[in-house]
Amino acid sequence: NAGVTQTPKFRVLKTGQSMTLLCAQDMNHEYMYWYRQDPGMGLRLIHYSVGEGTTAKGEVPDGYNVSRLKKQNFLLGLESAAPSQTSVYFCASSLAGVATEAFFGQGTRLTVV
Amino acid sequence: DQQVKQNSPSLSVQEGRISILNCDYTNSMFDYFLWYKKYPAEGPTFLISISSIKDKNEDGRFTVFLNKSAKHLSLHIVPSQPGDSAVYFCAASPGNTPLVFGKGTRLSVIA
Repeated sequence: NAGVTQTPKFRVLKTGQSMTLLCAQDMNHEYMYWYRQDPGMGLRLIHYSVGEGTTAKGEVPDGYNVSRLKKQNFLLGLESAAPSQTSVYFCASSLAGVATEAFFGQGTRLTVV
Repeated sequence: DQQVKQNSPSLSVQEGRISILNCDYTNSMFDYFLWYKKYPAEGPTFLISISSIKDKNEDGRFTVFLNKSAKHLSLHIVPSQPGDSAVYFCAASPGNTPLVFGKGTRLSVIA
């Protein structure tokens, strides 16, 4: 059982480049999330989805877009990368949004130079 | 404004002793609280949770206590082991919305 899988694990981008981070889960979870982790800042929610075809903004959505075309996949896009987006990105999923734990992927370390 | 606060960035404890990690919250609508553990280069993993209708939940060496009047929860690890060395995140939810995380506390268990 793979759980939550993130692709890629590492990436270096130049300022202004674009990229998409892929998250896939095989637990048939309805809810999926993208968080970023920065030193001293904990985990901050970027965007989330409560089901296929839905997305919603989190705490720090600016500069990112997301899509949930299939229930098992949640994509995070950076249209024009900035050094401030250097971070570790975590995808998570949960069975439902109420009173249940979220399962996390292993993370994507992104550096924007 | 930070809704979930972990005011101690780090904590060192001797092996075999008790580790106590603290978490404060400001949103009175939070009704479900969780602790996650994170090792370097890995994603956070769920450790233990508690709902607002309880004041204690125990799972092996891990116990979470909730004091709703003080808006405070704590994680106790007894006895602490070197493998417990990790970053611990407190998280909370007011219902059918995503978890809000604290900044984390780095626990070092010294052999």
